[in-house]
Amino acid sequence: GAVVSQHPSRVICKSGTSVKIECRSLDFQATTMFWYRQFPKQSLMLMATSNEGSKATYEQGVEKDKFLINHASLTLSTLTVTSAHPEDSSFYICSAPPKTGGQPQHFGDGTRLSIL
Amino acid sequence: QKEVEQDPGPLSVPEGAIVSLNCTYSNSAFQYFMWYRQYSRKGPELLMYTYSSGNKEDGRFTAQVDKSSKYISLFIRDSQPSDSATYLCAMSDSGNTGKLIFGQGTTLQVKP
Repeated sequence: GAVVSQHPSRVICKSGTSVKIECRSLDFQATTMFWYRQFPKQSLMLMATSNEGSKATYEQGVEKDKFLINHASLTLSTLTVTSAHPEDSSFYICSAPPKTGGQPQHFGDGTRLSIL
Repeated sequence: QKEVEQDPGPLSVPEGAIVSLNCTYSNSAFQYFMWYRQYSRKGPELLMYTYSSGNKEDGRFTAQVDKSSKYISLFIRDSQPSDSATYLCAMSDSGNTGKLIFGQGTTLQVKP
């Protein structure tokens, strides 16, 4: 069964809206989670590392003010796309390391975000 | 040059064929190697995980890692239409940081 749950699976909203995506680790604690973005027919690109109890670490070129990450508890990380615009439309996926840490990571089912 | 290179395909094979998928990489520090399967509009599903060099077999799937050549492979025996998906290789240089670098993904179609 799934070890990482992501919600919602699909969001359609108007330009200027802020959208929150949740990523939960099921039955285990994750001090670190990862957020990826995937464009059609392309691979996953790491956006940021979410750290429980501290600030997220963003990859080069990712706007931290646009993509707010909060790791509120040991089982929940959230990604908020603020004032979303059509160019933010994409497939967003989170992952978490296993209970013992390290590899391999397990992924959520992704959130398809469409900004009109 | 990308850190991880993977032919995007598409690759089309008849049912029952042996499928060979592969990736090359440039970073000699990579030690953790994974293959994920991704169906359309879904998250990646872990298929195989290998640490360092060697072979690993799980049912119809075999993963090979050749660190000297910086080359990894995934073989699928007796391929089924349900194997039709995108296959992503991913690798990491450290189990602690967990950062994964993905290949572009190879789209596979298995025809009945």
